[in-house]
Amino acid sequence: EPEVTQTPSHQVTQMGQEVILRCVPISNHLYFYWYRQILGQKVEFLVSFYNNEISEKSEIFDDQFSVERPDGSNFTLKIRSTKLEDSAMYFCASSSRSSYNSPLHFGNGTRLTVT
Amino acid sequence: DQQVKQNSPSLSVQEGRISILNCDYTNSMFDYFLWYKKYPAEGPTFLISISSIKDKNEDGRFTVFLNKSAKHLSLHIVPSQPGDSAVYFCAATPMNRDDKIIFGKGTRLHILP
Repeated sequence: EPEVTQTPSHQVTQMGQEVILRCVPISNHLYFYWYRQILGQKVEFLVSFYNNEISEKSEIFDDQFSVERPDGSNFTLKIRSTKLEDSAMYFCASSSRSSYNSPLHFGNGTRLTVT
Repeated sequence: DQQVKQNSPSLSVQEGRISILNCDYTNSMFDYFLWYKKYPAEGPTFLISISSIKDKNEDGRFTVFLNKSAKHLSLHIVPSQPGDSAVYFCAATPMNRDDKIIFGKGTRLHILP
């Protein structure tokens, strides 16, 4: 069964550094998402992306965050200047259409640790 | 602001018995509800969903019940199996805002032998 893949599985970075989290969504999916889960907290929506542009973003997704689909397969999340509170598990997800009738398929996540 | 609430952080159930996971929501604009299951070191996996026009949806051992007046839904697993041990997230989609999902904090289900 096709799956969403994320790399790396664990990223450690120093505060203030830039990080790029990478995702390869399922190939025929058109909608892409980033969610995050701070340890012990709920899974939180960050951003959705369709047709090469952001369709929705949360208040968490401030100017320090950006997303890009640089080629036909990768979907990346960049954090320009990481903060300690950015430490979390970041999940990429994709769906074949909007999430209403098509469940999201999640990757296994990238654990980001900011020191 | 917890729009989707799972008040039980954990639940232990004997193998073979029924597991009931509960979820409450506050936003009356939610019209589609989902349950996701998550194993350690993996992403959430879609389990079952229900539209607000229904009050029950069944898929094998899994049944979701929706009580709109109480803004409450529940997931029933019967019979419970060892492989059901996982974290279960309740989630909801706002009406006309179907490009994001609001998750609860999750309930860790332990199936006891």
